[in-house]
Formats: sequence, C-alpha cells, structure tokens
Amino acid sequence: GQQVMQIPQYQHVQEGEDFTTYCNSSTTLSNIQWYKQRPGGHPVFLIQLVKSGEVKKQKRLTFQFGEAKKNSSLHITATQTTDVGTYFCAASGSARQLTFGSGTQLTVLP
Amino acid sequence: DAGVIQSPRHEVTEMGQEVTLRCKPISGHNSLFWYRQTMMRGLELLIYFNNNVPIDDSGMPEDRFSAKMPNASFSTLKIQPSEPRDSAVYFCASRPTGVGNQPQHFGDGTRLSIL
Repeated sequence: GQQVMQIPQYQHVQEGEDFTTYCNSSTTLSNIQWYKQRPGGHPVFLIQLVKSGEVKKQKRLTFQFGEAKKNSSLHITATQTTDVGTYFCAASGSARQLTFGSGTQLTVLP
Repeated sequence: DAGVIQSPRHEVTEMGQEVTLRCKPISGHNSLFWYRQTMMRGLELLIYFNNNVPIDDSGMPEDRFSAKMPNASFSTLKIQPSEPRDSAVYFCASRPTGVGNQPQHFGDGTRLSIL
C-alpha cells in the first residue's frame, strides 16, 4: 500500500507562533486527507486535497498539495492552545483504504 | 445525528481471555474500518469491509484476531486468546458511499489493556 512519511514527530511552539507539518510519499498520490486527534480523542477529518498544487484554507489552517502530488503540508498561523493535538496525513490506496502517516504531535505552550 | 458507536469504551482483562469489541457504523455508510493505535506503531489499519464483505484483512496481526460484519449496522473485532501486546486503542471508522475517497468518521475507540 501507500507509504507516507510525516515530519516532525513532535513540535512544541509558544502560543502565537506558527506551525507546519509535512507529509511525503515516494509515489504519486491520488489524494490526501488530513485528520486531527485531540489528546484522548479520536481522529477527526479536516480536509481532502485532490488536485496538483491545490491550496485550501480553513481559518488559520492552510493545506497544500504538491505539484507532483507526492507531498503535502499543513500550516497553522498564530497557534492557539485549542490547536493542541496530533495531526495526521492519510493517503488512499488502490482499494480506497487509508494509510495514515505517523502524525505530528503539537504542543502549544501558553 | 449519532456518530460511530463503539463498545466498550474501556476493557481490562487478563491474558488468555477472549475480548470482543463492537462497532455500530453511521447509518447509510457502506464501508467500515478497524484500526489499532499504539505509541510504537501509530494508527494501523487492521481490516476493511465494504457492503459487509471483508475487502482487505492484510493488517490483521495474526490468527488470534478475527472480525465479522453480519449486517450493515454491526461489526465485531475479536481477540482470542488475548496477549499483553494487544493492549492498544482500537478504533472503528465508517465511510459513506460516494464518488472519490470520502472522509472516514471515527468512533471514540476502545481502550484495551491486557494484563
């Protein structure tokens, strides 16, 4: 199936600082999804990117899909304590199941 | 609007015992997924059903694990016999029918501890 590498594994930021997590694949992806999991919670779908070079925004969150559709990023501007959690990228395989990246655990220090 | 419902929320049992985890997907969703999450291995897909039929069970760790979906509104994941290394959070997720890769909706998970 699809393999996606996600970095960094952990990120500590001061509240108000920006945050970025990156997802990379050695193969071309048909699409990529992003999920957020709060501590003690379950993954919650954020967004799906399908087109080459696509950029989507949700308030302070900006999602990008690379031109070659082999990488993606999630950028949070001016982090808040409510942004705390683990952010996962997930790529779909041939049978339309998802392969999740290892996640980036974000800690926001007040 | 009920989401994916899993039971039990927590399970603590001794090794060797049979464990059964249950999942009720969102009504109308035709795909169901079982995942296992641990610190070491992250979020792993165990098995995937489409229209109640198992499509991909390559992630099931070994014969001690089995999953069934007898109808569109219920699925079970069974571990027999359980071992301490099976301790993890087990998530069930469902996905609606639709064009392309629809988002998955996760349940709250079952936190399993095998002593």
